[in-house]
Amino acid sequence: EVQVVESGGGLAQPGGSLRLSCVASGFTFSSYAMNWVRQAPGKGLEWVSTITAGGDIIIYADSVKGRFTISRDISKNTLFLQMNNLRAEDTALYYCANYVSGTRYKGFEDWGQGTLVTVSS
Amino acid sequence: EIVLTQSPGTLSLSPGERAILSCRASQSVTSSFLTWYQQTPGQAPRVLIYGSSHRAAGTPDRFSGSGSGTDFTLTISRLEPEDFGVYYCQQYGDSRWTFGQGTKVEIK
Repeated sequence: EVQVVESGGGLAQPGGSLRLSCVASGFTFSSYAMNWVRQAPGKGLEWVSTITAGGDIIIYADSVKGRFTISRDISKNTLFLQMNNLRAEDTALYYCANYVSGTRYKGFEDWGQGTLVTVSS
Repeated sequence: EIVLTQSPGTLSLSPGERAILSCRASQSVTSSFLTWYQQTPGQAPRVLIYGSSHRAAGTPDRFSGSGSGTDFTLTISRLEPEDFGVYYCQQYGDSRWTFGQGTKVEIK
């Protein structure tokens, strides 16, 4: 059974930092690109960042570029998102999701239940 | 950045009716990366359609996707009670992923 479990959310002050984690199981973690997608309260989905299966390509949304850093630890089947210089507009539920690259792409297949980040003074 | 615009914003329909959801891109997108997701209240999104027209595993055949270039459509042939929720289209281009703003399908 595939499981994707996010953690690390909480309350942070503007300008502060948080580190999110996403532990995956039930699929070959090293074969999947991993992503962070967020959803502000009552709003739609916003893609945040992607790291490819090999970790060789990393991309960010303009809204977080220079402030957030995505990484992965293959040995621990874990994805991370280091969030620095947080702003009120970063307040959202942060989801972790995977996909297979190339011709086998079938969308962001497996999602966690999210971890809530609140940025407020 | 490729912008996806979904319409209508809200669709009020009764069970058994047909729903037609539109996703229009600001420039041509790669069909193989055009994906539709469903999100029901309190749940994470789930893939319904990938590659513009391919049903994901577990997607009922009342859901169908079509389109190419800049215009894509998700059709639900006969709405079931569990189909009410928000639907998002998504694409990849210019080294970024983008989502449409969503279409809410609500019970009339």
